[in-house]
Amino acid sequence: DTGVSQNPRHKITKRGQNVTFRCDPISEHNRLYWYRQTLGQGPEFLTYFQNEAQLEKSRLLSDRFSAERPKGSFSTLEIQRTEQGDSAMYLCASSPGQPMADGYTFGSGTRLTVV
Amino acid sequence: AQSVTQLGSHVSVSEGALVLLRCNYSSSVPPYLFWYVQYPNQGLQLLLKYTTGATLVKGINGFEAEFKKSETSFHLTKPSAHMSDAAEYFCAVSTATGRRALTFGSGTRLQVQP
Repeated sequence: DTGVSQNPRHKITKRGQNVTFRCDPISEHNRLYWYRQTLGQGPEFLTYFQNEAQLEKSRLLSDRFSAERPKGSFSTLEIQRTEQGDSAMYLCASSPGQPMADGYTFGSGTRLTVV
Repeated sequence: AQSVTQLGSHVSVSEGALVLLRCNYSSSVPPYLFWYVQYPNQGLQLLLKYTTGATLVKGINGFEAEFKKSETSFHLTKPSAHMSDAAEYFCAVSTATGRRALTFGSGTRLQVQP
C-alpha cells in the first residue's frame, strides 16, 4: 500500500465552475477525513466518513460542498459554483478504527486556485 | 471542545542549535496530542504523538515532546537543528470520543540558518 492518494495535485478553475477532488485512502482504513488549509493556517476539519456513512459536516462546509464515499472506499469532494474564497489546499486523511493508537495518514493534498 | 495555540508563527535557529516549538492546548476531556511536519506543497507527516502512558514522547528525526498536564503544554524539542528541519510544524489535539478529528494550531515555520 502506497498511502493516501489525492488527485489532482493542482487544480486551477474559473469562478463559478464546479470541481471534484478524489481521495484514495489506505485500503484497510475505515475512517476518512477531509480538511481545508488556507495559506498560513492549520488544516480545518470539513467532514468525515466511517465506512460509507458521512457522520459529521463542519459548518465551514456550505451547501456548495458535497462529499461522498461510495462503498466505503475512495471519497470525492465536490465544490459547486466555486468562489475565490474556496482557494485552498484540500487534504484527505484516513485512519483505522483506533486512530489514537495508529494515527492518521494524510495525502499530499489538492491545491485549488479559483481565478 | 478543544483548541490549540502555537506560540510564535516563525522561529529561526542556527544549525546545531536547540529547537523549541511551543504548543498549548485546551480540552475538556483527556487529550491526545500530535505534532506534524509539512514541507512546501506536501501533506502532513506525523512526527510523534501522545496518547497514554509515558509523558515524554520520542518521534522521528530526533524530535521529542513532553506532555505536561499541569501546564496544558506539549512543546516540541530537538537538541540539534539540521538544515533539513526547515518546514512548517503543526500541533494538533484530538479526543477518543466522537468524530476523533484533529484540531490543529496555526503552525510554526521553522527556519534553520547555516
